[in-house]
Parts: sequence; C-alpha cells; structure tokens
Amino acid sequence: DGGITQSPKYLFRKEGQNVTLSCEQNLNHDAMYWYRQDPGQGLRLIYYSQIVNDFQKGDIAEGYSVSREKKESFPLTVTSAQKNPTAFYLCASSMMDRGYEQYFGPGTRLTVT
Amino acid sequence: RKEVEQDPGPFNVPEGATVAFNCTYSNSASQSFFWYRQDCRKEPKLLMSVYSSGNEDGRFTAQLNRASQYISLLIRDSKLSDSATYLCVVNSNTGGFKTIFGAGTRLFVKA
Repeated sequence: DGGITQSPKYLFRKEGQNVTLSCEQNLNHDAMYWYRQDPGQGLRLIYYSQIVNDFQKGDIAEGYSVSREKKESFPLTVTSAQKNPTAFYLCASSMMDRGYEQYFGPGTRLTVT
Repeated sequence: RKEVEQDPGPFNVPEGATVAFNCTYSNSASQSFFWYRQDCRKEPKLLMSVYSSGNEDGRFTAQLNRASQYISLLIRDSKLSDSATYLCVVNSNTGGFKTIFGAGTRLFVKA
C-alpha cells in the first residue's frame, strides 16, 4: 500500500521539551511538506523540501526544525522556542511535475501543557 | 488582503441541491490550482485539480478564471456525504515555490 504515514496520532508533551514528529512516504515523491492547522483555521506551511538534503522555510518556520536525509522521510522537530506548539500537524508529499499535487498523511495532534 | 480567500460559510443546503464555492487569489503568476475536502479532525484529501479549460469529475465541476483570478467548485445533486470543509490551493513557482491554502468553506448537506 502506497501512502504517507505519520506517527504518533496523538502526542502529549510538557512545555520546554522538544518533540519530533515522524513523516514517511513510499510514493517516491520528490517534495515533502509540513503544515500546522489550528482550530477553525487554514493550513500554514512550516517547512518544505524539494530534494534530499535541502529544505526551505515556509511562512511560520520559527521554533521548528526539519531534516531530509532520505527521500522517504521528513521529520519535524517542534522545539521549546515555539511559543504555541499545540496544533494539528500535517505532512504532505508531491511530485514536482504534477503541479505539486499534494497528498497528506493522517496528521499528528500535539498537545503541550 | 489575504493571498487566497474563501467564503468561510457555512453553506447549508438540502440534499439534491447544487452549490458553488469560489476562491480568489492575488498572485497573477500562480500556476496550479486544486480543490481539497477535509472532514472534521481528518487530513485534507485531494478532490480535483483545476485546469484552464475547466474539468468535471462526476457531480463536481472545477473552473479557473485567470482574468478575474478565481477558481470555482460546483457540486451538483448534493449528498449528505458531501458535508465537509472545502479548501482551495494555489501554487506558484515564480521567484521560488509557494503553496497557499485557503481557510476553507464549510458545507452542510441536510436530509
């Protein structure tokens, strides 16, 4: 089965801790993305990567970090510097020659208290 | 002005009705356009791409108006299962890649 997996589905952390969210795809897609969604709001782009070992900041990169060491994997670390980390985090991937038609993983709900 | 704007709704329609959503965008260099549906507390799922000539997939029709910078989604013969939030997405790759999601339009289809 091809697709995008994110784990865990729910994550709880204490304030001040860094946390890493996993995203893996076996679609052989070149590009991968991280978004956050807050209740009643649209998706906001955190980081994206179009090729291995390269990534770009999105609109709200502060307090987050990523790596892209393998084509299949694009983990996101939410650092203690992120002021409002509680949100729904969505990972997506796309082929660059399909107009960047993105496919999403099921998401991780992060709650920081 | 937001780069991509949608009427948040909600649109409340009876089963069988036809409903249309618009999405306006500000970047005239935008190159690719999509509609997604998102169910409550789930990930967005691709509904359809939007082509310049317009395209149809069953009860769904998408259109692009580059001159007026908007895309539209028409749903005919609404079903209860169409109840969801519909998101438009606008991508550009001029001067660097950019992907913008609209905040979504909520649709409730009633029996």
